[in-house]
Amino acid sequence: EDQVTQSPEALRLQEGESSSLNCSYTVSGLRGLFWYRQDPGKGPEFLFTLYSAGEEKEKERLKATLTKKESFLHITAPKPEDSATYLCAAPHGSSNTGKLIFGQGTTLQVKP
Amino acid sequence: GAVVSQHPSRVICKSGTSVKIECRSLDFQATTMFWYRQFPKKSLMLMATSNEGSKATYEQGVEKDKFLINHASLTLSTLTVTSAHPEDSSFYICSARDLATDTQYFGPGTRLTVL
Repeated sequence: EDQVTQSPEALRLQEGESSSLNCSYTVSGLRGLFWYRQDPGKGPEFLFTLYSAGEEKEKERLKATLTKKESFLHITAPKPEDSATYLCAAPHGSSNTGKLIFGQGTTLQVKP
Repeated sequence: GAVVSQHPSRVICKSGTSVKIECRSLDFQATTMFWYRQFPKKSLMLMATSNEGSKATYEQGVEKDKFLINHASLTLSTLTVTSAHPEDSSFYICSARDLATDTQYFGPGTRLTVL
């Protein structure tokens, strides 16, 4: 069964304290691993798509990486404005409907 | 980047009335759009897949007669919550699939409160 699991569920960091969020997946024939950021009361905002193991993408203080079993979202020297819930998702492996399987999210709080 | 809009952003209605939510892809065409529901502090729950020009596909447990979906054009899908009840109060979010990048872009969400 296709599955996406994120850890930790919640993460508290001090401003400037770097860390990583984990997304492990079991999806047959992975056709992309997506990262989104969601602020309270808003829809998810697209961050990255990773397609193959070894691929990395960066945006400001965020860097996403992908292996054959998991993806990491590294946050370098975070600021309070990075506080949000980060979601990872992968398309269902067995069909091309575009349906995504979402992890439960990691809620990040960065304290000044 | 690709932009998806939703309207209204917030709606309050009386029990028994119907509410329509619009989802538009502003700078790309979307043959497929998705409707999600999100409960507080929970992840997204897919309700249905909306395909332009054909009937929507509903997830197990979602009442298709209660949540009517119409995808009349390549840039517009609508969700109508019929005979709304307080238990339908929730945060509804749509997304549109950009085939060029095979990426789902999300709308800002609609907060529905049924009194």
